[in-house]
Amino acid sequence: QSVVTQPPSASGTPGQRVTISCSGSSSNIGNNYVYWYQQLPGTAPKLLIYRNNQRASGVPDRFSGSKSGTSASLAISGLRFEDEADYYCEVWDVSLDGVVFGGGTKLTVL
Amino acid sequence: EVQVVESGGGLVQPGGSLRLCCAASGFTFSTYWMHWVRQAPGKGLVWVSRINGDETTTTYAGSVKGRFTISRDNAKNTMCLQMNSLRAEDSALYYCARGFDTNAFDIWGQGTMVTVSS
Repeated sequence: QSVVTQPPSASGTPGQRVTISCSGSSSNIGNNYVYWYQQLPGTAPKLLIYRNNQRASGVPDRFSGSKSGTSASLAISGLRFEDEADYYCEVWDVSLDGVVFGGGTKLTVL
Repeated sequence: EVQVVESGGGLVQPGGSLRLCCAASGFTFSTYWMHWVRQAPGKGLVWVSRINGDETTTTYAGSVKGRFTISRDNAKNTMCLQMNSLRAEDSALYYCARGFDTNAFDIWGQGTMVTVSS
């Protein structure tokens, strides 16, 4: 059970906007940057968003991140079939003195 | 090309040891934090350990502290993870990752599989 919580699944149809939440506490999200990764089936994770809301190199502007208090969100607009993947939030936890990942959210494009 | 390549995975009995290594190329290895992240089959990502560029700081997840040791050789652009007292729950695909912003990861390898089973 991770100290950072994500919904296990999310879904949408092509063209829709979906959001994935990431909930934590003052020991992690509340006081540190949040990062988001996309993991396509059978591949290594890929950095999508860094420092809460900055897109990594080459990431389309359909992807955006935000943070408020002890929660963060990843939004994907103009959903495409190729966005079907697992998405993870990640943050440093000062209490654990280590990196923590959310449990991951499986996005299905219907 | 910037890349990291893991090696050393395999099948080991409970209580046994294994040494994973990560070969880096295409960047100034000594200036980056490096990390190990693992993923059990069908499960999520779990951070394992990190080491800074000059090897003066190492950090471990609680589940591996005292059993795993991370190290690096900047002359050989290599990082390793010595894993002792292995348990079934250590079975996973182990990724090497380059540190970004210290505690994030911008370059990942393809992983090396570790299976702990009798």
